[in-house]
Amino acid sequence: AQKITQTQPGMFVQEKEAVTLDCTYDTSDQSYGLFWYKQPSSGEMIFLIYQGSYDEQNATEGRYSLNFQKARKSANLVISASQLGDSAMYFCAMREIDSSYKLIFGSGTRLLVRP
Amino acid sequence: AAGVIQSPRHLIKEKRETATLKCYPIPRHDTVYWYQQGPGQDPQFLISFYEKMQSDKGSIPDRFSAQQFSDYHSELNMSSLELGDSALYFCASSKPLGNEQFFGPGTRLTVL
Repeated sequence: AQKITQTQPGMFVQEKEAVTLDCTYDTSDQSYGLFWYKQPSSGEMIFLIYQGSYDEQNATEGRYSLNFQKARKSANLVISASQLGDSAMYFCAMREIDSSYKLIFGSGTRLLVRP
Repeated sequence: AAGVIQSPRHLIKEKRETATLKCYPIPRHDTVYWYQQGPGQDPQFLISFYEKMQSDKGSIPDRFSAQQFSDYHSELNMSSLELGDSALYFCASSKPLGNEQFFGPGTRLTVL
C-alpha cells in the first residue's frame, strides 16, 4: 500500500534562509506523482509543486524546488529565501497513476519562520 | 483565475441532523474529489467523480453520499451527523489528464 512519511512535525527557520522539508514515500507502482501543498492557519490547501515519477529533472516553482531522489524514494521540498508568510503547515502527497488519482497525504510539517 | 468554490464555508449542525456541502469545480475540470480533514490531521480521501460517474471511494461512511451533476458541480450529503464528523471538508478538482488537484477553501463543519 502506498504511504507518505513526513518525519518532521515542526521546524523553525530564520527569515531569508533556506529550509528543507523531508518527505519519503512507499509505492510499488512505477508511475506516480508527488505533490506539496501549503496550508496556512486560515485552512485553505495551496498547491505548490508537482513531480512526476518519470520526470528526469527536479521540479521548480519560484522559491520552491523539489529534491527528487527516486532510488531513495524521497521528495523533499526546498524553500529558498524564507519569508514570514511561509509559516504554515506543509503536506507532502502522492498519487498513483493507476488508481483514481486520489491523493494520499503525509502527516504534515509545521514550519515557523522567525524574523 | 477562477478557483474551486465551496459552499457553505462554515456550517454548524446538531447530532443526527443532515448536511449538504456543495462544490463548484474550476471551469472545464471534469474530475472532483472530496477529502475530510479532522482537527490536527492530514486530509483523508472520501470519494471522487469523473465525468459525473463515481471513480473511486475511500473511507466514506455509509451515512454519506455524493454525486456529480451535469454541470460538473458536486454535492456531499451527510446524514445522521455525529460529533466525529466535525472536520474541514475539501473539494478539489482537476482537468482531464491533469496532474494538479486544485483545492477549494473548504467547508468547516461543526457538529454539536
